[in-house]
Formats: sequence, C-alpha cells, structure tokens
Amino acid sequence: EIVLTQSPGTLSLSPGERATLSCRASQSVSSSYLAWYQQKPGQAPRLLIYAASSRATGIPDRFSGSGSGTDFTLTISRLEPEDFAVYYCQQYESSPRTFGQGTKLEIK
Amino acid sequence: QVQLVQSGAEVKKPGASVKVSCKASGYTFIGYFIYWVRQAPGQGLEWMGWINPANGDTNYAQKFQGRVTVTRDTSITTAYMELSGLRSDDTAVYYCARAGTISVLLDAFHIWGQGTMVTVSS
Repeated sequence: EIVLTQSPGTLSLSPGERATLSCRASQSVSSSYLAWYQQKPGQAPRLLIYAASSRATGIPDRFSGSGSGTDFTLTISRLEPEDFAVYYCQQYESSPRTFGQGTKLEIK
Repeated sequence: QVQLVQSGAEVKKPGASVKVSCKASGYTFIGYFIYWVRQAPGQGLEWMGWINPANGDTNYAQKFQGRVTVTRDTSITTAYMELSGLRSDDTAVYYCARAGTISVLLDAFHIWGQGTMVTVSS
C-alpha cells in the first residue's frame, strides 16, 4: 500500500498570499497518477488536479500541481477567500487508492 | 449535466447492513468506472472499492473484503454499495465518484455524488 504524507497539517495564510502544499509518497507513483482534491465543510470533495499537473474542468489557473516520483506539490498562487478549505492528495496507480491525511488551509 | 445523486441518510443498528445507491445521469453509464469512498466524522477520505458498470467487475480494499458488495443496475443507471456487519466505526459519509475518462480504470475521481450519511448506533 502506498502511504501518502501531507505537510503541513495546517497552513495559516492571508488572502492574496501564495500557498504551497506538499504530498510525499512512500514509494514512487509512476506516470504521475497523483490527484489533488479540495473539500469544504459539508461538501463532497472536488477534483482540482489530476496526473500531477493537469487542472480539472473549471479549475482556476491560480491552482497548479507539480512533482513526480515520490514528491508532489499543490500551489495556489494568490489565495482567494473561497480557497480556505481542506486539501487531499490521492494516488490512483495501485489498489488501494490511498489518500493523504489532508492539509487544512485556514485564514490567518 | 453529468451528475451522481445518492440516496438519503440511514440509521442502522450494529450488525445490520446498509445499501447506498448512486444514480447516474447525463452520460453513458457503462462507459465510466465508479468508485466508493467514505469519510468518518472529522476524518480523512478512505477508498472502499470500484465497479466497472460495463461488465460488473469489482475490486475492493482489503479492509472491507467480505463485508462490502458493489453492484450496478444498468437499466436504471444506478450503482449500489452494500456494507454488512455494521459497527459504530462504520459511521461515516459514503460517497460515490466517477472516473473522468471513458473506459479508464487508473483515473482520478472527477465527478462526486453529494454523499450519504450512515449512522450506526444502538
């Protein structure tokens, strides 16, 4: 089983700032089968990034993904008020499809 | 538009079973894999399994083997997740989700249902 470790657990930033979220895998995730999701309270997760760096339909270009192998990053270039939420990474290369434990992005 | 609509909240006693439905619309049902994910209160996301609606093939997380059954009814474009032997730690929101690319198993979860709260309590 591929274990995904996200850091930091909580990130406190202000609107307009840049956010950098990390996801580290216990073994290499080949072909970049890595996704990022955003989840707000009481809502289902929403896909932001797939294949490590491809934005999902309708996702603003302030969201970007990068990385390969075991280290992946989600960057939000300029935080908007609606971006404060919990973010999860997920690998979908192998079963079980594992998720990271999440990073909570909160308003400073 | 493409959407997955799940059945309503359930309250079950320990040892019982629950069956959650996921009604698909706006696309060719048999073309896309469907996944099931759950989230306990205040916790993260946990993948449970998938089904290929085209042929009914399934795969489950080892943790749920023997307790979970995912099926589909193509005539009404609906997938189901049944969990048996319920325990208090099965209390969670259960989500169905759909792949983004036709006939591709190794895909992210592009479309999500709204979730179904299952509460297990005596």
